[in-house]
This record gives sequence, C-alpha cells and structure tokens, in this order.
Amino acid sequence: DAKTTQPPSMDCAEGRAANLPCNHSTISGNEYVYWYRQIHSQGPQYIIHGLKNNETNEMASLIITEDRKSSTLILPHATLRDTAVYYCIVRLREVGSTLGRLYFGRGTQLTVWP
Amino acid sequence: EPEVTQTPSHQVTQMGQEVILRCVPISNHLYFYWYRQILGQKVEFLVSFYNNEISEKSEIFDDQFSVERPDGSNFTLKIRSTKLEDSAMYFCASREGFDGYTFGSGTRLTVV
Repeated sequence: DAKTTQPPSMDCAEGRAANLPCNHSTISGNEYVYWYRQIHSQGPQYIIHGLKNNETNEMASLIITEDRKSSTLILPHATLRDTAVYYCIVRLREVGSTLGRLYFGRGTQLTVWP
Repeated sequence: EPEVTQTPSHQVTQMGQEVILRCVPISNHLYFYWYRQILGQKVEFLVSFYNNEISEKSEIFDDQFSVERPDGSNFTLKIRSTKLEDSAMYFCASREGFDGYTFGSGTRLTVV
C-alpha cells in the first residue's frame, strides 16, 4: 500500500511556482522519496528522487524536511503542460536489488491555468 | 532520449481470447515491469522481471498472466483468456539501476 499522503488537487497560475506537498511520516532510514507524474492517460514519467538532501534537476526541485517525514516538489515556473497527476512514492533503493514495485496512490491533480 | 516502446497502442479483443502485449525496453536496462491502470483507478503493479525470470508478482498476476523476454529485446505480457475486468491501460517499464523507471506510453486493452 502507498505510504504517502497527498492532497487530491491543487492549482497554480502559469509562470508561478507550484509547490506540491507529500507526507511520509512512516518512512524508514533506507527509503527514498520518488516523484512521478502522469499526464492524462500516458505512462508515468519520472521527475526526481532524494534521500535526505534537497535535490534539483532540470524539471524540478525536491525539498525533504530534516526529519524526513514530509517533502515538497517544486516546479519553479509551471506551464500548462505541467498539468498532470503527481505521485509521491517511497521505496527502498538497495544495491543489487531486484525488487522495484512502485506503490502508486491517488496522487495530486495539479491544474495549471493561464 | 531513449524510450520504452509499446505495441499496439489500442487492442480490442473478445472475452475469452488470448492477447499478447508487446514492449521494447531501453536496450541497456536490466529490470522490466508491467503495470496496469483500470480507468479512473490507481496504477497497479503486476510483475517484475530480471535475469530472465520473474522476481516479484502481485496478487493480480494470476495463472492467466505470463511474461516472456523471447529474444533479448522484446518483453511481452500474455493474458491467456481475457475477462471483461482485464480492460485497462497496460504500461511496460524498465530501469537500469537505482534511478527512475522509464514507462512506455501504454496499451489500452478493451475486452468486449
């Protein structure tokens, strides 16, 4: 089962930052936080992941609280094409692990409006 | 950018028929997956595949389902005798190591 809690929906004006929160209060020390998004009925798209440090890539930034019980995905300048369902997922990331089941919850429907 | 390719994009089949959904994962990836999403529902894990064998499967993946990597490039999901409730989007995914999965664009299976 999904181990995260996200708001069901959010909206954001185009060009503004979108901040999507996620609670993962039962996360264990060796679990990472991953973010994916799904645009309409397309396949989920990987965005970013992190363990405890803040991370940034060309798509987004990930801010993880010091106690690791929550995180925020930041899309710095949202565009209409960022309208999607955003999923926050915690999972183990082990050397040589053959496991890899991702538990998708309901996610957050982000709507970017003009 | 490398991508996971799935064919067909849409398949309609009669109840009780066998279907094979095809996927071409990214060439240097080692781990392969099938997920499905019934309309309006969550994305659900079906099976993972590594080193030419199933490494994990969900309770959904019963005896009606099978997977195969027949030629080192294709990765297929077979449903032996389709039921109406098998209607869903089926997503193939692959990964190389620790980072994110790459998902295909999916096959919409409609069982009538």
